[in-house]
Amino acid sequence: EVQLVESGGGLVQPGGSLRLSCAASGFTFTNFWMNWVRQAPGKGLEWVATIKKDGSEKYYVDSVKGRFTISRDNAKNSLFLQMNSLTADDTAFYYCASGLEHVFFNSWGQGTLVAVSS
Amino acid sequence: DIQLTQSPSFLSASVGDTVTITCRASLGIGMYLAWYQQKPGKGPRLLIYVSSTLQNGVPSRFSGSGSGAQFTLTISSLQPEDFATYYCQQLNSYPYTFGQGTKLEIK
Repeated sequence: EVQLVESGGGLVQPGGSLRLSCAASGFTFTNFWMNWVRQAPGKGLEWVATIKKDGSEKYYVDSVKGRFTISRDNAKNSLFLQMNSLTADDTAFYYCASGLEHVFFNSWGQGTLVAVSS
Repeated sequence: DIQLTQSPSFLSASVGDTVTITCRASLGIGMYLAWYQQKPGKGPRLLIYVSSTLQNGVPSRFSGSGSGAQFTLTISSLQPEDFATYYCQQLNSYPYTFGQGTKLEIK
């Protein structure tokens, strides 16, 4: 069974940092691009970042460029999102998703909540 | 950036009905469009990709069509488990973008 389990969310003050993790199992991790998507409470989906199978290419939405870094550890079937200089606008549920470039996001986790507030 | 506009934003229907959701792109995106279903408290579920290909395990009452800048998701013979929020997503170019969502409610 395919599983994606996010962790690392929580309450953080504005300007703070947080590192999200996503543990993958049930599929060949290295065959898939990996993605982060966020959803503010009660709002729609927003794509955040994508990383190629081998980690050699990374893409970000403009609003997080220079603040967030996506990475992966293929030996540990894990995906990460380092988030710095957080603002209230970053408050959301963060989902990791596997996929193929330009095709789909085929499996999703249950999400982890990041709340930025003083 | 490519904007996706879904219509309607809210849809009320009954079990057994057939409904159609439209997704319009601000630029042509070929067939690089996917549809997702999301239920409260859950991550999205992939339904359809490259406009009309049904994901494994998704019931055949779901179908997609379109190319270029206009796409549709049709759900035939609505079942109780189909009442959820639906999103389209373009994967033609970065930044990948989603439509604003269509909430399908029971009439």
